Parts: sequence; structure tokens; C-alpha cells
Amino acid sequence: QSALTQPRSVSGSPGQSVTISCTGTSSDVGGYYYVSWYQQVPGKAPKLMIYDVSKRPSGVPDRFSGSKSGTTASLTISGLLPQDEADYYCCSYAGGLYVFGTGTKVTVL
Amino acid sequence: QVQLVESGGGVVEPGRSLRLSCATSGFPFSNYGIHWVRQAPGKGLDWVAIIWYDGSKKYYADSVKGRFTISRDNSKNTVFVQMNSLRDEDTAVYYCARCSGGDLGPPDYWGQGTLVTVSS
Repeated sequence: QSALTQPRSVSGSPGQSVTISCTGTSSDVGGYYYVSWYQQVPGKAPKLMIYDVSKRPSGVPDRFSGSKSGTTASLTISGLLPQDEADYYCCSYAGGLYVFGTGTKVTVL
Repeated sequence: QVQLVESGGGVVEPGRSLRLSCATSGFPFSNYGIHWVRQAPGKGLDWVAIIWYDGSKKYYADSVKGRFTISRDNSKNTVFVQMNSLRDEDTAVYYCARCSGGDLGPPDYWGQGTLVTVSS
């Protein structure tokens, strides 16, 4: 059960797009269509942004989108806003249990 | 509205035990599985355990297997995690979270967390 690999940080200017990768194995990301993404601001609980690779819960802006290819999933934030600055974590089903990614800090320049 | 409230955290010596509770409301508890997820200070999210809606299946991270036990009381809408043989590296904020979609989905609604500090 190794953590999924994410870049430590990504940044972009307001209005730009950023993409966060999440690399796993055939036992997790590559084996199931059950990848989710979470946004966490300091001192707060995580918030679900994407589930089942590309589905958005009610209330999540369509600026957030998800995809997957093989053992790598991706979260794209389009039209960056200052309030998007946060930590982002991917999470994958791994056959009964779950595994989180290492986390990515998104900075809005 | 959906609510999850963790309790039971505190300071405990290495090797000792602690039991955390997760009280829920605002949804049909007996239809949903529940996760425990932890976050060490300044670190990332770390999945701990899951219990199915009816308690029939439980899964654990390797790091806690054999030391932690997850359980639920559907009559009290509450999930527990019994943590034994605690280690320094178990120090973290512990969150409970509901399984989206019912039994085995990823976490959707989260509590605010309870801090467990393992220290002599």
C-alpha cells in the first residue's frame, strides 16, 4: 500500500489552467474506475471535488475536471481563481481498501 | 444536513490504547459505510480503515492492521475505532468520513477531526 505519487506543487496565474497528476499501479488507479480528488485548505477537513474519475458532486464548479489513462489520473483546474489555492489529494480504491496520493499544493500567483 | 462528529482524541503514552467515536446524523446511517482517515501534523492524508454499512466487512491499512479495530453501532448511528499498541507515528488528526454512494464508495462528507497525540 504505497501512496500514490503526485507532484509536490503546481502554480498558475488567475485564469490559467493547471493539471495535477496522480500515478499509481495496476492494483489501484489502473485497476479500477474509482479515483476521487479532494481539496483541503489549512485547518479544514478535505472536500470531495471529483469521484469515479470524472464525476463532480453537486456544487463543485465545472472548472474542475478529472480523467484517467492507464495508471495515471489527472485533475485539471481551468480558469484558476484565488480561492483555488489549497492542497489537493487524489484517492483510489485498491480492492477493499483505499490509498491517498502524496498531495499537491496549488499556488495561484 | 449530513454531520459527522469525532470525539475521544487526546494525549496517550506509547503502547497504550484509545477509542475514538464518530457520531453521525442527517442521513440513513445503516445504509452507509464509514471511513477513518488520519493526517499527521504537516503531512498528507493517510487512509486508515473502512467498515461496510452492515459491519460485515472491514478493511485496514497495513500500518494499523492488528492494532486498530473498527466497529459500528447502527442503533446509535456511531462508528468506533479501537486503537491499541499506539506508536509515536500514530500521532495525527483522525477524521471519519461517509462512503459516497453507500457501502464502499470514497469519502464524501467528513467530520472536523479529533487530534490524537502519542507521546511519553
